[in-house]
Amino acid sequence: SYVLTQPPSVSVAPGETAGISCGGDNTGIKTVHWYQQKPGQAPLLVIYYDSDRPSGIPERFSGSNSGNTATLTISRVEAGDEADYYCQVWDTSTDHWVFGGGTKVTVL
Amino acid sequence: QVQLQQSGPGLVKPSQTLSLTCAISGDSVSRNSVAWNWIRQSPSRGLEWLGRTYYSSKWYNDYAVSVKGRITVNPDTSNNQLSLQLNSVTPEDTAVYYCARSLGYFYGMDVWGQGTTVTVSS
Repeated sequence: SYVLTQPPSVSVAPGETAGISCGGDNTGIKTVHWYQQKPGQAPLLVIYYDSDRPSGIPERFSGSNSGNTATLTISRVEAGDEADYYCQVWDTSTDHWVFGGGTKVTVL
Repeated sequence: QVQLQQSGPGLVKPSQTLSLTCAISGDSVSRNSVAWNWIRQSPSRGLEWLGRTYYSSKWYNDYAVSVKGRITVNPDTSNNQLSLQLNSVTPEDTAVYYCARSLGYFYGMDVWGQGTTVTVSS
């Protein structure tokens, strides 16, 4: 089955840029979605179709996808961005949604 | 504004059936090409998609291999909701269960229910 690999944690100072990777076999030919999840809350879609932002998501959130890695970038990080972030793709070989293991972003 | 309101028991005995409902407001379970999903989350398994239902001239279902044979996701058009049934549960099925909407077959999940913590224990 398809596997998405994310780093367990990323630490970033306020105002800096955080990059969260999501690795998988040829992710570049798939569409990747990203979610933010804060403790006790349901996931929130922050990026869809690799790089599109839903209404209400700040422009500081951006996404890219090429080769075997998709990346979620958070610019000008704020304390409120501290959360777990998950990537997601549709695996056409199994007709499954697949989630990455999640990355905990800590704002120093 | 679309909202999903989940309901169902928080404790299920091993070997019994887990049943949850997701009431939809602001959208229709029958809207063409909108998919309605069930996902669960546990410390050991992370986020795990379980299955979905959608209407496109007729009703379709997709299920995760990990629960196939034990899972049923059904639309309830009379009450505009969807349901999840998971049979023969074990403690491994203990998790927070979510329903969520996808605006297309491969679109991200843009609206989520509040989550239901289900514990499988005798």
